[in-house]
Amino acid sequence: DIQVTQSPSSLSASVGDRVTITCRASQGIANFLAWFQQIPGKAPKSLIYAASNLRGGVPSRFSGSGSGTDFTLTISSLQPEDFATYYCQQYYTYPRTFGQGTKVEVK
Amino acid sequence: EVQLVESGGGLVQPGGSLRLSCAASAFTFSSYWMSWVRQAPGKGLEWVANINEDGSQIYYVDSVKGRFTISRDNAMNSLYLQMNSLRAEDTAFYYCARMPYGSGTIDYWGQGTLVSVSS
Repeated sequence: DIQVTQSPSSLSASVGDRVTITCRASQGIANFLAWFQQIPGKAPKSLIYAASNLRGGVPSRFSGSGSGTDFTLTISSLQPEDFATYYCQQYYTYPRTFGQGTKVEVK
Repeated sequence: EVQLVESGGGLVQPGGSLRLSCAASAFTFSSYWMSWVRQAPGKGLEWVANINEDGSQIYYVDSVKGRFTISRDNAMNSLYLQMNSLRAEDTAFYYCARMPYGSGTIDYWGQGTLVSVSS
């Protein structure tokens, strides 16, 4: 199975900060990586697919990059509604695997 | 607006069975792969199963193989997850999700239904 490791597991940030979350796959997955956001008590929401493509309606302050084994999710200017847990998922092969999540908290 | 509404969760004893349903609306259900993803309380996301548009391709995570069955009824715009031989570690919120053709990953999620396995 492909392991997907996110870092950090949590971070503290302020509104307006630039935030970067990384995701590393245990083997190359080309660009078959997605990012999801989950606000506590809510269902996940899809943000990015194919490593860098924003889903419709996702604010442009979110961006994704990477290919192969190393990927990043960047929030250019953190907004109050962005405090949440973020997950990456590889869909290069089965079983699909998620990272363990990165919790973005208020500093 | 795309809607995915799960139902069928509840409390069940270890070894018991439960059938989850997901009612889809506002899109052409028969044109999409569908997925079940679960999340134990306070834990991360775990992919459970995928099914293609006509049910001819199905994939499971190893931990549920032989116990869970994913299926769909395109005439009823519904996705199902039959869960047998339930274990305490199956306790989780179960989310139904949609995957656009060719994308391989999820674009819309349901709100989830809670399955609790306990004596």
